[in-house]
Amino acid sequence: AQTVTQSQPEMSVQEAETVTLSCTYDTSENNYYLFWYKQPPSRQMILVIRQEAYKQQNATENRFSVNFQKAAKSFSLKISDSQLGDTAMYFCAFTSTFFRGNQFYFGTGTSLTVIP
Amino acid sequence: GAVVSQHPSWVICKSGTSVKIECRSLDFQATTMFWYRQFPKQSLMLMATSNEGSKATYEQGVEKDKFLINHASLTLSTLTVTSAHPEDSSFYICSASGAWETQYFGPGTRLLVL
Repeated sequence: AQTVTQSQPEMSVQEAETVTLSCTYDTSENNYYLFWYKQPPSRQMILVIRQEAYKQQNATENRFSVNFQKAAKSFSLKISDSQLGDTAMYFCAFTSTFFRGNQFYFGTGTSLTVIP
Repeated sequence: GAVVSQHPSWVICKSGTSVKIECRSLDFQATTMFWYRQFPKQSLMLMATSNEGSKATYEQGVEKDKFLINHASLTLSTLTVTSAHPEDSSFYICSASGAWETQYFGPGTRLLVL
């Protein structure tokens, strides 16, 4: 069975500082994808970043980057130069191409507050 | 690109009535659509997966006769909550996936059953 664990229910960071959200997962699959989604107070789920397991290079999207450690099954999200608009719930998600319809497994989420 | 709309965004109905929620992929063909339910401050709970032209696959514990899903085209899926009751009040989110593994989410529908 696949599981995704986010061990930090809540976090806060000062504006302009850097914060790292952690995510670990468990799978026996070798080919899979990992995602971070952001859910602001509007509750719209927004894709932040994705990582293919077969790529060793860590994905980067502007101020967002990941630290993907395949052997450790760890997928953390680093947010640099935090902005007030980054305040949101962040969900880590996992999928494998072998799952029916690319079903996602979500973590329980981390609530991030950016303090002005 | 990869925009998903959902309608209505808010619905209030009386107990016993049925409510239909539409999910549309606006700029891509969605081979698979997903329906989720989310309670406050919790993660997304998958209700069902639907592929165009075939019957939806429901997760364990989800009543298929209560939550009717129709994926009539590659851009439209509907969720009908039949004979809604107050316990069905929740936030419902759809997502769509094309010929790739990423899911793109609609803005969600808040359902309140009185």
